Amino acid sequence: KAGVTQTPRYLIKTRGQQVTLSCSPISGHRSVSWYQQTPGQGLQFLFEYFSETQRNKGNFPGRFSGRQFSNSRSEMNVSTLELGDSALYLCASSLETSGGGIQYFGAGTRLSVL
Amino acid sequence: AQSVTQPDIHITVSEGASLELRCNYSYGATPYLFWYVQSPGQGLQLLLKYFSGDTLVQGIKGFEAEFKRSQSSFNLRKPSVHWSDAAEYFCAWTGGGADGLTFGKGTHLIIQP
Repeated sequence: KAGVTQTPRYLIKTRGQQVTLSCSPISGHRSVSWYQQTPGQGLQFLFEYFSETQRNKGNFPGRFSGRQFSNSRSEMNVSTLELGDSALYLCASSLETSGGGIQYFGAGTRLSVL
Repeated sequence: AQSVTQPDIHITVSEGASLELRCNYSYGATPYLFWYVQSPGQGLQLLLKYFSGDTLVQGIKGFEAEFKRSQSSFNLRKPSVHWSDAAEYFCAWTGGGADGLTFGKGTHLIIQP
């Protein structure tokens, strides 16, 4: 069974631009969660989607948004990029909701904002 | 606020020696607890999990962890480390809702030859 796939692996953008990251979960998994990893703040929860509905969102500004499609694939969008958005963005999938379930992570998308 | 603390930012261990990585959580009820490992440039790989039941849990790669409610701890252990164990280790928990995982800051493990 294929694991969680994130595309692209690397991105370079400039301030003010927007970016879309993609995540394909493990087949059969219905929940997708997104995390931001930075050296200063560590791993932080962005949001979770389950059956195309956002279940919860972490403490991030509205510039960070996402969606989930009927095939459980998810996209994350960051608008008006700032230098501080440079990070590794990780996607995780689980069978049901993230709570109490096992989350399987992708390799991440490394975003650099110049 | 609920949190996870990994007191050791860096740990250096000789190859073949035993390892213990510390993790303490702050949560009113019994959480779901996890240990993940991250190699450079990679995502997170699940080592083991604790949901309920036996407080000593076995994971992959020879790792184990023990849940101690009285100490609010979930320490990771390995009897004999290998050079390939050098990586970043993260302890994480969730309360069971759709809040995602709360991670510790991580412990960077260095293996000396």
